[in-house]
Amino acid sequence: NAGVTQTPKFQVLKTGQSMTLQCAQDMNHNSMYWYRQDPGMGLRLIYYSASEGTTDKGEVPNGYNVSRLNKREFSLRLESAAPSQTSVYFCASRHDRDYGYTFGSGTRLTVV
Amino acid sequence: ILNVEQSPQSLHVQEGDSTNFTCSFPSSNFYALHWYRWETAKSPEALFVMTLNGDEKKKGRISATLNTKEGYSYLYIKGSQPEDSATYLCARNSGGGADGLTFGKGTHLIIQP
Repeated sequence: NAGVTQTPKFQVLKTGQSMTLQCAQDMNHNSMYWYRQDPGMGLRLIYYSASEGTTDKGEVPNGYNVSRLNKREFSLRLESAAPSQTSVYFCASRHDRDYGYTFGSGTRLTVV
Repeated sequence: ILNVEQSPQSLHVQEGDSTNFTCSFPSSNFYALHWYRWETAKSPEALFVMTLNGDEKKKGRISATLNTKEGYSYLYIKGSQPEDSATYLCARNSGGGADGLTFGKGTHLIIQP
């Protein structure tokens, strides 16, 4: 069982470039989430999808867009990367709010 | 924005000793409190999900309690082992009708042989 798979694991972007972070889960979970982890701060929610076909903003959505492509896949897009978006990004999923998250392995993104 | 506080920020414990740390959170619109273990170079792994006031959960040498009225949870580790070294995160539902969890900054636990 792969669980939650994130790609890529590492990425360096130049300011203004765009990219999409991919996330896929094979556990038939309904809900999927994107978080960022910065030094000295807790994991902060960027966007989430409570069920297939819906997406909502979290705490820090500015500069990002998301797509829930199907039940398995939830992608995060940076349209015009900024140095402030340098971070480690985690995708997570769960069946519903009675369950804990299963996290992906993370994407370390550097914007120069 | 919800404020989830964890203390202490870091903790050094001798192997074999028992330890505990705290998670404090607002009580309003509470649904669930989660604990995760996050080992270096890995992803966070779920330990417990607790929803009821007075809940106690246990997994091996690790246990947790929940007080939703006063807004705190304790995580206990009995007879610490080197493999317990990790950052322990707590999180509660974000509230305001939103799905998702709001995380604390974690307690970094180091077990010294």
